[in-house]
Amino acid sequence: EGQLVESGGGLVQPGGSLRLSCAASGFSFNTYEMHWVRQAPGKGLQWLSFISSGGRTINYADSVKGRITISRDNAKKSLYLQINSLRAEDTAIYYCAKGGAGEAFDVWGQGTMVTVSS
Amino acid sequence: QSVLTQPPSVSGAPGQRVTISCTGSSSNIGTGFGVHWYRHLPGTAPKLLIYANTNRPSGVPDRFSGSKSGTSASLAITGLQAEDEADYYCQSYDNNLRGWVFGGGTKLTVL
Repeated sequence: EGQLVESGGGLVQPGGSLRLSCAASGFSFNTYEMHWVRQAPGKGLQWLSFISSGGRTINYADSVKGRITISRDNAKKSLYLQINSLRAEDTAIYYCAKGGAGEAFDVWGQGTMVTVSS
Repeated sequence: QSVLTQPPSVSGAPGQRVTISCTGSSSNIGTGFGVHWYRHLPGTAPKLLIYANTNRPSGVPDRFSGSKSGTSASLAITGLQAEDEADYYCQSYDNNLRGWVFGGGTKLTVL
């Protein structure tokens, strides 16, 4: 089934930047689409971004477009999310997820916490 | 305000059957895109329960079932167990937004 492990979260000041990473194992990473999803405190799940298996097709949610960049390194079996101009409302747990059958997200990581505060 | 609408909470006694609804529109569920369901406990990885409206991944008990009609979908859980207490989310793809969307989530309480 595979495993995903996120890292890179932490406490950041407003206006700062962070690069989140997601290490994949147990499946052929280079053949699957990948996503980033977040959950703010007390809120539901919010899809952020998609990247195709080869990295050529990318989509972003309108709410974060222009401030985030998704990328992947298939040789390193890793997915990344660069977040710039961080705001308090970006405080959330960030999850990476693997695209599966029917475009469902069939494998998720445990998440990495990002806190934006001065 | 989520694109997909779910009831904030549902509850049931052990052994009972509960259903969670997910209402969308002609730009998402109504277009024919699949509806997927996830179970989520805070601090843990969300788990896929149902994909493409009615399909269960291997390892998911047949107590969980999904259905879809028009612009709505439902998750049914039979033989309710204490460990079913969690948040449940529906998900689909939205043509207008050109992205994936989640429902607001439903908290299931086992009485």
